[in-house]
Amino acid sequence: AQKVTQAQTEISVVEKEDVTLDCVYETRDTTYYLFWYKQPPSGELVFLIRRNSFDEQNEISGRYSWNFQKSTSSFNFTITASQVVDSAVYFCALSNFGNEKLTFGTGTRLTIIP
Amino acid sequence: DAGVIQSPRHEVTEMGQEVTLRCKPISGHDYLFWYRQTMMRGLELLIYFNNNVPIDDSGMPEDRFSAKMPNASFSTLKIQPSEPRDSAVYFCASSGAGMGNTGELFFGEGSRLTVL
Repeated sequence: AQKVTQAQTEISVVEKEDVTLDCVYETRDTTYYLFWYKQPPSGELVFLIRRNSFDEQNEISGRYSWNFQKSTSSFNFTITASQVVDSAVYFCALSNFGNEKLTFGTGTRLTIIP
Repeated sequence: DAGVIQSPRHEVTEMGQEVTLRCKPISGHDYLFWYRQTMMRGLELLIYFNNNVPIDDSGMPEDRFSAKMPNASFSTLKIQPSEPRDSAVYFCASSGAGMGNTGELFFGEGSRLTVL
């Protein structure tokens, strides 16, 4: 069985602060994929990133960065210099190799206070 | 390019009525997924198809739920009879498949169902 845990239900930070969203996963498979999705107030789900289990390099995209650590089964997401437009619910998700099915965490609601 | 298109966007119905939600995936995508989102249970996968064939329907809650994909450009999720606990946002998503791709699921805007 696979499971994704996002322990932070809600986070609020003041604009321009950095914020990290935690994600811990469980899977028996040795090859798997991890994802982050954003759900803004409008409701649609927007893909942010996919990482493969065999590639532990951290990734940076603009103000976004991701820290993948297999040793702790974590795939954390950091937003640097947060902006009001970053306010959304963020979901971490997991799929196993050869299986297109995504298992989502419960999401973290991020509010950026102007 | 058009994204995943879902209809209706909002549906309000009374308990016992039949509800049909519709989805048009992105052209060329060979995987289609139906997810349900509620406050209590988050995002749950109900069923997914590959090349129009149902692959995993273990998430379908009960026999009241059924899904079909008669062709590559259309899928339906039907609830009959509907119950208040079915109230949720139902998302359809499609993907171009294959682990050689990004594995990104493209989601529709969702169908918000309220059963009174």
